[in-house]
Amino acid sequence: SQTIHQWPATLVQPVGSPLSLECTVEGTSNPNLYWYRQAAGRGLQLLFYSVGIGQISSEVPQNLSASRPQDRQFILSSKKLLLSDSGFYLCATRDRREAFFGQGTRLTVV
Amino acid sequence: AQTVTQSQPEMSVQEAETVTLSCTYDTSESDYYLFWYKQPPSRQMILVIRQEAYKQQNATENRFSVNFQKAAKSFSLKISDSQLGDAAMYFCAPGGSNYKLTFGKGTLLTVNP
Repeated sequence: SQTIHQWPATLVQPVGSPLSLECTVEGTSNPNLYWYRQAAGRGLQLLFYSVGIGQISSEVPQNLSASRPQDRQFILSSKKLLLSDSGFYLCATRDRREAFFGQGTRLTVV
Repeated sequence: AQTVTQSQPEMSVQEAETVTLSCTYDTSESDYYLFWYKQPPSRQMILVIRQEAYKQQNATENRFSVNFQKAAKSFSLKISDSQLGDAAMYFCAPGGSNYKLTFGKGTLLTVNP
């Protein structure tokens, strides 16, 4: 099965600072990749998904961007963080029968 | 476009009792899977059960079963003999070949001893 490595697990960043969250996948090639955000006690909001290198689809206009520089690497970035960017970020991949998730990053913008 | 509606933000059940979580969805695809994931306080996402849309027989995994009504685009989850470890946020999602995986807003299930 597929394994997702996501880091860091927790992050505290000041407003206006940059952000880079990284996600890598093992056990498959050319995976579909996803970034989700979850506010406290809320649902999973799909932010970006990618079906191949350099191919990014954005679901929600926002202060974030995503990139896929390698087949199994997916990066979530921001040039200047806002307080509203705080939340729990999950990277995921899926095959036809199942979705696989990283352990998540808890981001607090202060 | 895919939309998913979980109309019950919170549910509670007594230990050993049965509870049903509802989910309705909309998709333009004809061949897809439907998933229920649970997210316990650890926030790890765990697959509970999946259903292939072309199969009429409802999926069952131990104490978990679904009621899949394809025409109505309804996909409810029944948990029998509820246990304390079932307490979690539950998410429903249709997953088709168009690669998008959109989850509902979730239902927070509390299990009372």
